[in-house]
Amino acid sequence: GENVEQHPSTLSVQEGDSAVIKCTYSDSASNYFPWYKQELGKRPQLIIDIRSNVGEKKDQRIAVTLNKTAKHFSLHITETQPEDSAVYFCAASRPSNYQLIWGAGTKLIIKP
Amino acid sequence: DADVTQTPRNRITKTGKRIMLECSQTKGHDRMYWYRQDPGLGLRLIYYSFDVKDINKGEISDGYSVSRQAQAKFSLSLESAIPNQTALYFCATSDPFMTEAFFGQGTRLTVV
Repeated sequence: GENVEQHPSTLSVQEGDSAVIKCTYSDSASNYFPWYKQELGKRPQLIIDIRSNVGEKKDQRIAVTLNKTAKHFSLHITETQPEDSAVYFCAASRPSNYQLIWGAGTKLIIKP
Repeated sequence: DADVTQTPRNRITKTGKRIMLECSQTKGHDRMYWYRQDPGLGLRLIYYSFDVKDINKGEISDGYSVSRQAQAKFSLSLESAIPNQTALYFCATSDPFMTEAFFGQGTRLTVV
């Protein structure tokens, strides 16, 4: 079945620096790749997503890139701020049932 | 944001007890999900329902059961709770094309 691997499990960056989180997926039929942010004690919330017909998508300081050939996608956060500290989850789904398969999450720590 | 509401928010129960977690949503979506979150393991799918008459097991359904009482209500039961079911439980809902999953606030369950 579909599997999504996410790395690293923990990422610590200096405030103002960039952060990159990477995910790989196994099912080449997957065509939708969302990223969710979960702040401490809160629910996961969608921050950005990308579909397989697009290679890159940006929204202010965050961007997602997709490499279909290599079956991996990445979340990029630039000019990191303290409020970016959270756990980030990637996921992948395929058109057969639109079921999301989740990565294990990355805890992002922004150091002041 | 009260689009997806879970009750209770916290619960401590004893081993062997039956417990029900409830979820209701006002998004009008047909699809509803129950996830379990353990530290370092991300979100694991317990059960999902694509409509009132369609209920499916997820990757970790053993020890759990569900009931879809209406489009807006999806409850999760632990028939005989055990300590390794101690976790954070999330209910979620989405549209058929999975453009976004909306999560409830979570239920922190402790089985002693």
